[in-house]
Amino acid sequence: AQSVSQHNHHVILSEAASLELGCNYSYGGTVNLFWYVQYPGQHLQLLLKYFSGDPLVKGIKGFEAEFIKSKFSFNLRKPSVQWSDTAEYFCAVKTSYDKVIFGPGTSLSVIP
Amino acid sequence: GAVVSQHPSWVICKSGTSVKIECRSLDFQATTMFWYRQFPKQSLMLMATSNEGSKATYEQGVEKDKFLINHASLTLSTLTVTSAHPEDSSFYICSASSGRGTGELFFGEGSRLTVL
Repeated sequence: AQSVSQHNHHVILSEAASLELGCNYSYGGTVNLFWYVQYPGQHLQLLLKYFSGDPLVKGIKGFEAEFIKSKFSFNLRKPSVQWSDTAEYFCAVKTSYDKVIFGPGTSLSVIP
Repeated sequence: GAVVSQHPSWVICKSGTSVKIECRSLDFQATTMFWYRQFPKQSLMLMATSNEGSKATYEQGVEKDKFLINHASLTLSTLTVTSAHPEDSSFYICSASSGRGTGELFFGEGSRLTVL
């Protein structure tokens, strides 16, 4: 069965620190990859997505992610986090069956 | 982005009663809608996929007679929790796909169900 794993359950960073959240998936076919963010009290929002082409994708709010097919990974990065980035981050994979499977999520806390 | 709206945003009911949650795509036609369940501080668990005009496809372990899904039009899907029990208390989230191949899901605000 398809699955998505995220390396960290909870990450705590100081403002201006760099961020990298790991995501791995298990599915041998063609995938579309997403990172979603859920700010406290709000609903899920799309940060960025990968469909094809350049494996380095840029999203909103300075986030980017790199798709490495050989490693089945799609890690999220941001060079300098802000307090407002405190949120829950979910990696998600859409398989050829059109289902979107979410990872367990990583809670990011940014300390001012 | 496209807008998906859920109603009600929160509901409290007595054990044994049924509760209906609506999910509407406001500015696009959603050929496919998905229902997720999110437990506190956990990820979204896909419950079922509903396609307009056909029966929903349930994920393994999800009781289809417990969670009735109807997708009668391209802008509306409903989830009915039948004979609700306290263990059904959760945050239910719907999402919709426009089916134009982008794969992006648009999420509703979620509905918090509390069963007493």
